[in-house]
Amino acid sequence: AQKITQTQPGMFVQEKEAVTLDCTYDTSDPSYGLFWYKQPSSGEMIFLIYQGSYDQQNATEGRYSLNFQKARKSANLVISASQLGDSAMYFCAMRPTGNQFYFGTGTSLTVIP
Amino acid sequence: DARVTQTPRHKVTEMGQEVTMRCQPILGHNTVFWYRQTMMQGLELLAYFRNRAPLDDSGMPKDRFSAEMPDATLATLKIQPSEPRDSAVYFCASGPARDRGLQETQYFGPGTRLLVL
Repeated sequence: AQKITQTQPGMFVQEKEAVTLDCTYDTSDPSYGLFWYKQPSSGEMIFLIYQGSYDQQNATEGRYSLNFQKARKSANLVISASQLGDSAMYFCAMRPTGNQFYFGTGTSLTVIP
Repeated sequence: DARVTQTPRHKVTEMGQEVTMRCQPILGHNTVFWYRQTMMQGLELLAYFRNRAPLDDSGMPKDRFSAEMPDATLATLKIQPSEPRDSAVYFCASGPARDRGLQETQYFGPGTRLLVL
């Protein structure tokens, strides 16, 4: 079975601090992609970062990095130097065999000034 | 900057009426997804297409929902008859097929916010 789990329904972080959003996944496929999306209050879904199952290094995109621990089946998103504009819902997703994406339930992040 | 477009952006209708939502995927993308998002259920996959052929519509209530891709530039999601429980945001997303590479993500449209009274 393919499954994505995000156990943190809501998180708070002080502006300029770093925050980690948790994501664990379950798949028996050897080849898969892991993605994070941001959904601000405006409702759009924005792609943030990607990690491939065979990638040796953790992905980074600006202030976003992905802490990929394959043995633990976790793909946590780290946001460094949080900004007020980072307040949003964050979704973790996995794309194993086939074309379908599997999404977690999301984590609501609030950045406090 | 290529984007997925969806129309209408907002729709208010009465129970029993037909609702048609349209999506124009990004040119060159051959997979198209329809999702529904509610507070209670989160993001649910309704259907997806590859090269205009439906691959999976198991997430869709078959008695009232239908999804089609009449051509490569248009995907439609139809609800007939609509019910209050269909009130949600409906997203269309498009992307290259997985065989183009694992890193290929999907790009979401702005969504259609549907309210059925």
